[in-house]
Amino acid sequence: DVKVTQSSRYLVKRTGEKVFLECVQDMDHENMFWYRQDPGLGLRLIYFSYDVKMKEKGDIPEGYSVSREKKERFSLILESASTNQTSMYLCATWGNLANTGELFFGEGSRLTVL
Amino acid sequence: QKEVEQNSGPLSVPEGAIASLNCTYSDRGSQSFFWYRQYSGKSPELIMSIYSNGDKEDGRFTAQLNKASQYVSLLIRDSQPSDSATYLCAVAFSGTYKYIFGTGTRLKVLA
Repeated sequence: DVKVTQSSRYLVKRTGEKVFLECVQDMDHENMFWYRQDPGLGLRLIYFSYDVKMKEKGDIPEGYSVSREKKERFSLILESASTNQTSMYLCATWGNLANTGELFFGEGSRLTVL
Repeated sequence: QKEVEQNSGPLSVPEGAIASLNCTYSDRGSQSFFWYRQYSGKSPELIMSIYSNGDKEDGRFTAQLNKASQYVSLLIRDSQPSDSATYLCAVAFSGTYKYIFGTGTRLKVLA
């Protein structure tokens, strides 16, 4: 089974702090994604990466950056956290374009910014 | 702007009934269609995928796709209280990494 592990399930940070959310997968998938999920807004794509050191902006990249130094690890960085970044953050992976297209999600990281 | 629309619910059905969940999408270039189930406080998990017009059955679940009407649905037969969750419709575009998710329909199965 694919395992996607997010390092922190619950975080509380203060406005202006730098926040790192880490995601590790064990299935050698090329593609990794960061979403945020908010009530009434659904899942929105922040960034994705299709290879090591490769990244592309999603629909809402403002205020976020990402790092992918190794294939199995994809990090989301909030350079200066703000209260409107309070949300559930979900990491996901996807094998390749030829497979079923299923996204495998981590357990999520619920971030509260005070 | 590509969009995926779902009724937010809650949709309440009695135990043993058929639950019908609907989703419409705006882009005719959409190629792959998915239903994810998300329990409260948990992450989404895939329950059905469908790629061509018609019905696809898997146990108590049936996905239906009508590309002409830009409509995809999920039927859950013999609904159980354990089916109570939010169901997310997702649409993907062939050869891309782009998924668009609906906001989800909350289903409540009443014992």
